[in-house]
Amino acid sequence: DTGVSQNPRHKITKRGQNVTFRCDPISEHNRLYWYRQTLGQGPEFLTYFQNEAQLEKSRLLSDRFSAERPKGSFSTLEIQRTEQGDSAMYLCASSLDGGSQETQYFGPGTRLLVL
Amino acid sequence: GNSVTQMEGPVTLSEEAFLTINCTYTATGYPSLFWYVQYPGEGLQLLLKATKADDKGSNKGFEATYRKETTSFHLEKGSVQVSDSAVYFCALSGTYKYIFGTGTRLKVLA
Repeated sequence: DTGVSQNPRHKITKRGQNVTFRCDPISEHNRLYWYRQTLGQGPEFLTYFQNEAQLEKSRLLSDRFSAERPKGSFSTLEIQRTEQGDSAMYLCASSLDGGSQETQYFGPGTRLLVL
Repeated sequence: GNSVTQMEGPVTLSEEAFLTINCTYTATGYPSLFWYVQYPGEGLQLLLKATKADDKGSNKGFEATYRKETTSFHLEKGSVQVSDSAVYFCALSGTYKYIFGTGTRLKVLA
């Protein structure tokens, strides 16, 4: 079990630039989630995939955000025209659909700083 | 809607002290409850979970019991160590997404 991996771990960008993050879930997991965590807060749900289908997007996910999971394996989260308010830790989690026993496993996160 | 409320930190304890971090929740239905721990600069690690009322989750000396009557899931440890210093998050599962509390920072002094 190699766990959930995320790349890059850190990203510094200038306002207005586009950034893309990648998440590789645990290999047999069919569900994948993106959360955002700002300083001093708990993670907040952004979006969720069941295999390659994106089933829900939070209202936190503005039109500048897009997420994909093209083959039901890894996922990417792109932020276009970044703003300083996008600075946060972006966390990816994965799980195996298992009803009440389902548990999400988190990656180490990508910390984004928008200057 | 669903929500989680945690006691505010930081909590500062001496090594070998008893730890309690309070967590209460509001939810429809019967969610699973979780405690996650986050060390500096890292993601969240699952500490323990409970999936139904009266279940006790335990791991690494930490325990929490799912109390439906008080809608609580308090985290306890009998004797903390310096290495337990971290931020602890209580969470509940919705249909699929998790709802997290704001986290409680624990600092353990040698």
